[in-house]
Amino acid sequence: DTGVSQDPRHKITKRGQNVTFRCDPISEHNRLYWYRQTLGQGPEFLTYFQNEAQLEKSRLLSDRFSAERPKGSFSTLEIQRTEQGDSAMYLCASSFGRGRETQYFGPGTRLLVL
Amino acid sequence: SQELEQSPQSLIVQEGKNLTINCTSSKTLYGLYWYKQKYGEGLIFLMMLQKGGEEKSHEKITAKLDEKKQQSSLHITASQPSHAGIYLCGARSPNTGNQFYFGTGTSLTVIP
Repeated sequence: DTGVSQDPRHKITKRGQNVTFRCDPISEHNRLYWYRQTLGQGPEFLTYFQNEAQLEKSRLLSDRFSAERPKGSFSTLEIQRTEQGDSAMYLCASSFGRGRETQYFGPGTRLLVL
Repeated sequence: SQELEQSPQSLIVQEGKNLTINCTSSKTLYGLYWYKQKYGEGLIFLMMLQKGGEEKSHEKITAKLDEKKQQSSLHITASQPSHAGIYLCGARSPNTGNQFYFGTGTSLTVIP
């Protein structure tokens, strides 16, 4: 399978714990995006990388959230001191190009904070 | 921020019926994307429309873009149970071009 992959697919954690999610984009894609989706809503943009550079961050991304893409390939999204409001599906997408290219999504990581 | 409103929010149709989903933007559209999502899964890309008046079809799904009305429609002909899922429209922010916004989705159920 050469699509976008995410790990883990499901995560249950207790409030206050740290969690880290991984995204492996399609290999030749230079752009990588993170989104958060809550029940009944469309995905909300969190952050965007072009190669290893994090170029944009949404105001939704609080200080407890950090994302990296150290070698311009896979990316990690860490949430520190999780809160119940962080419970959501975290989606990763990748694309190749400079402009209005299509984003391809991974299956998502579903986070439940107890 | 860019807002995309979809209608209807949910739709239940009998297999074989045609249906239309609408997506209306609060701001000028710079391209419009349609995705499908099955519950608990990622998004599957359906179509991208870039120019006003553009129309694209894939199998029994047709999408149109009306830039003047800041609106797009997705039409499914002779619906099948495999069409069931959540349909999402998405567009880029006119300010940055990289932030991507989605509508709230339309949930489609097709009854066999």
